[in-house]
Amino acid sequence: DGGITQSPKYLFRKEGQNVTLSCEQNLNHDAMYWYRQDPGQGLRLIYYSQIVNDFQKGDIAEGYSVSREKKESFPLTVTSAQKNPTAFYLCASSIGPPGNEQFFGPGTRLTVL
Amino acid sequence: GEDVEQSLFLSVREGDSSVINCTYTDSSSTYLYWYKQEPGAGLQLLTYIFSNMDMKQDQRLTVLLNKKDKHLSLRIADTQTGDSAIYFCAESPPLYSNYQLIWGAGTKLIIKP
Repeated sequence: DGGITQSPKYLFRKEGQNVTLSCEQNLNHDAMYWYRQDPGQGLRLIYYSQIVNDFQKGDIAEGYSVSREKKESFPLTVTSAQKNPTAFYLCASSIGPPGNEQFFGPGTRLTVL
Repeated sequence: GEDVEQSLFLSVREGDSSVINCTYTDSSSTYLYWYKQEPGAGLQLLTYIFSNMDMKQDQRLTVLLNKKDKHLSLRIADTQTGDSAIYFCAESPPLYSNYQLIWGAGTKLIIKP
């Protein structure tokens, strides 16, 4: 089955620690995205990548980092510089323009203790 | 600037029709999307409409697009308890300009028995 997987589903972290969220897709999509969702709010774009070895900052990139070494994988690191990291993180992928419909993973809920 | 607006909540009785509305500002958007998010899950693409269409129907779902007023709606016929979710509207920027979608904040659909 083709799709997007995110792991883990729930993640707990102590303040001051970096943590990496995994995102893998087998849809052969060129583009991948990371979003943050806070309770009762919409999606905010953290980073996106149009192609391997390239990525761009979204609206709220501060305190986050990404890499895109393989087409299938787009891991997100939440660094200790992120002031309020507790949130629901969603990964998505798409073929790219013109349609650009995005397909989402199940999400990772990060809680900072 | 680009912005997509939705009401935050909609409450309907089971068996009635639900109409979720969305307004957008980028008249050159090529595709408009509706996504559904159930609690604790990722987003699921429900349907989309191309900008040269006025209406699209898919089983219980009807999408209406009024380009003059930049208004998009999603009608769900015979609303059921399984339709309880947050519904997001999104627009796709002009062809090849970038890979991002512009998201609304989401409308929470509440079903009354």
